Amino acid sequence: GENVEQHPSTLSVQEGDSAVIKCTYSDSASNYFPWYKQELGKRPQLIIDIRSNVGEKKDQRIAVTLNKTAKHFSLHITETQPEDSAVYFCAASKGGTYKYIFGTGTRLKVLA
Amino acid sequence: NAGVMQNPRHLVRRRGQEARLRCSPMKGHSHVYWYRQLPEEGLKFMVYLQKENIIDESGMPKERFSAEFPKEGPSILRIQQVVRGDSAAYFCASSGTGPEEAFFGQGTRLTVV
Repeated sequence: GENVEQHPSTLSVQEGDSAVIKCTYSDSASNYFPWYKQELGKRPQLIIDIRSNVGEKKDQRIAVTLNKTAKHFSLHITETQPEDSAVYFCAASKGGTYKYIFGTGTRLKVLA
Repeated sequence: NAGVMQNPRHLVRRRGQEARLRCSPMKGHSHVYWYRQLPEEGLKFMVYLQKENIIDESGMPKERFSAEFPKEGPSILRIQQVVRGDSAAYFCASSGTGPEEAFFGQGTRLTVV
């Protein structure tokens, strides 16, 4: 079945360093890849997304890259800050719906 | 725009009782999705609904769980005869008819005692 693998499960970085989270998807028909940030006890919030017709997208300190051939996509956070600490989820979906298959999450800790 | 509204935020039920979770999508959104998040895990798709139609329920357990999205009113996720394993956060998301991203509600945290 459809599957999204996410690594690492936990990530600690020093404030100001970069963080990279990687995801691999199984369904080659997937064409939309959002990333969500979830703080403890709160709703998942969309931070960036990418569609399959684009290889890279950037929004200030956050960027996402997509390699369709290898079926993987990555989240890059530069100049990390303590408020970036949260659980980050990648997801993949296909077609015209937003039935997302989520990764298992990465707990990011930015150390001051 | 009030966003996706879920209620209640917290729900405690004894084993064997019924749980009803409500979700009002964002204004103008006609697609609703329910996800379940077990502690320390990711979100798992349960069901996708449009008004008066269940489009995809491939993630719903075969028994005790049902969902609806009536013509008027919120979407309802109903869990009958709850068991301890049903304890989780249940998130609703909605999207419009275009290629907009799905927006999540605050979730309902169900605790079965």
